[in-house]
Amino acid sequence: DAGVIQSPRHEVTEMGQEVTLRCKPISGHNSLFWYRQTMMRGLELLIYFNNNVPIDDSGMPEDRFSAKMPNASFSTLKIQPSEPRDSAVYFCASSPSTYNEQFFGPGTRLTVL
Amino acid sequence: QKEVEQNSGPLSVPEGAIASLNCTYSDRGSQSFFWYRQYSGKSPELIMSIYSNGDKEDGRFTAQLNKASQYVSLLIRDSQPSDSATYLCAVNPSGSYKLIFGSGTRLLVRP
Repeated sequence: DAGVIQSPRHEVTEMGQEVTLRCKPISGHNSLFWYRQTMMRGLELLIYFNNNVPIDDSGMPEDRFSAKMPNASFSTLKIQPSEPRDSAVYFCASSPSTYNEQFFGPGTRLTVL
Repeated sequence: QKEVEQNSGPLSVPEGAIASLNCTYSDRGSQSFFWYRQYSGKSPELIMSIYSNGDKEDGRFTAQLNKASQYVSLLIRDSQPSDSATYLCAVNPSGSYKLIFGSGTRLLVRP
């Protein structure tokens, strides 16, 4: 079975540009999570979807960040405009139900110059 | 106090030894506990889950849970250099969908 798929794997952009990260969860999983990982702050939960509905976006750092899940097999995380401090690895994870283990995608390494 | 605490390490053990990784958590009502392994530059990979007190074994890995003392541990028997990675403890607090991650313990297995 395919795991969580993320694209792109690497993204280098300039400050002020729009960045869109994509995620395809594991088929049949109804919970999806977006995380950000940095050396300083570790793994931070940004937003959680259940059955395609955003349940908790309290971890989204600013209004520059937005996330959507138009259907059960696709989610996007958008940063507009991007800033150098957004540089991090962004992970998408999915889970078969709310309280179960989460399975992570390979991540997108974002560098904002 | 952090919600999930781990010693950052590095924990250095010789090849073939038992590596013992520990984690404490603050929410006494937590129900689900997970260990993830993360190689440098890679994503966290789930290696163990444990839900009830006691030991759970899977190959060379044993997870131990003591809810009364609020700690969970991971033992790796016959450690191999390929086990060198950062091990993240994750806890699902009571009534929450979130996983709270520790900062991870870096394990180094010396050949």
